[in-house]
Amino acid sequence: GESVGLHLPTLSVQEGDNSIINCAYSNSASDYFIWYKQESGKGPQFIIDIRSNMDKRQGQRVTVLLNKTVKHLSLQIAATQPGDSAVYFCAENGGTGFQKLVFGTGTRLLVSP
Amino acid sequence: DGGITQSPKYLFRKEGQNVTLSCEQNLNHDAMYWYRQDPGQGLRLIYYSQIVNDFQKGDIAEGYSVSREKKESFPLTVTSAQKNPTAFYLCASSIGGGSGQETQYFGPGTRLLVL
Repeated sequence: GESVGLHLPTLSVQEGDNSIINCAYSNSASDYFIWYKQESGKGPQFIIDIRSNMDKRQGQRVTVLLNKTVKHLSLQIAATQPGDSAVYFCAENGGTGFQKLVFGTGTRLLVSP
Repeated sequence: DGGITQSPKYLFRKEGQNVTLSCEQNLNHDAMYWYRQDPGQGLRLIYYSQIVNDFQKGDIAEGYSVSREKKESFPLTVTSAQKNPTAFYLCASSIGGGSGQETQYFGPGTRLLVL
């Protein structure tokens, strides 16, 4: 979850494609993870969360996969729509027992019609 | 309509001036947080409060101050000691309780600019 500078990685997809956004988390003690969507100039919006006792969780058009062995999280968006265009970032709780989240820098998703 | 509100949406600060950003929530959440977001960077924690009348410094508290006199409100003051205040400021809240597995919900943000 460290800052990597001004330029976010970008994923460009066509409308209707499935999108996969990846996140490598840093703390093996983390036991709770959240994906957020942030549109330009707005606050982050909760998408889906997952606890470490699960490896997959599904929502509406979204699926989160958790691989604790390699400390990797992914967000899959089915049938991507232009309204899905935003920055997506993951957060981990660091296993501190208090909700102090550590946030990734994010991936920009661009969906073209 | 439940949620988190932040005001103002844009705020301009002059040199040497303290400014206060408002954050209000009607979600009945115990815990509240302030983050700073700079372009291309992850959110960084400024201050957090687990309960009324109690708050702790986050990772970048220097130049900032907060108060938590009411459960619903967690204002952030950006003091003149903060030399690089230009950023997007985000307030969040969570149900609290210390489980460490709580969703944080965010407000719409305040963009602070220096004149």
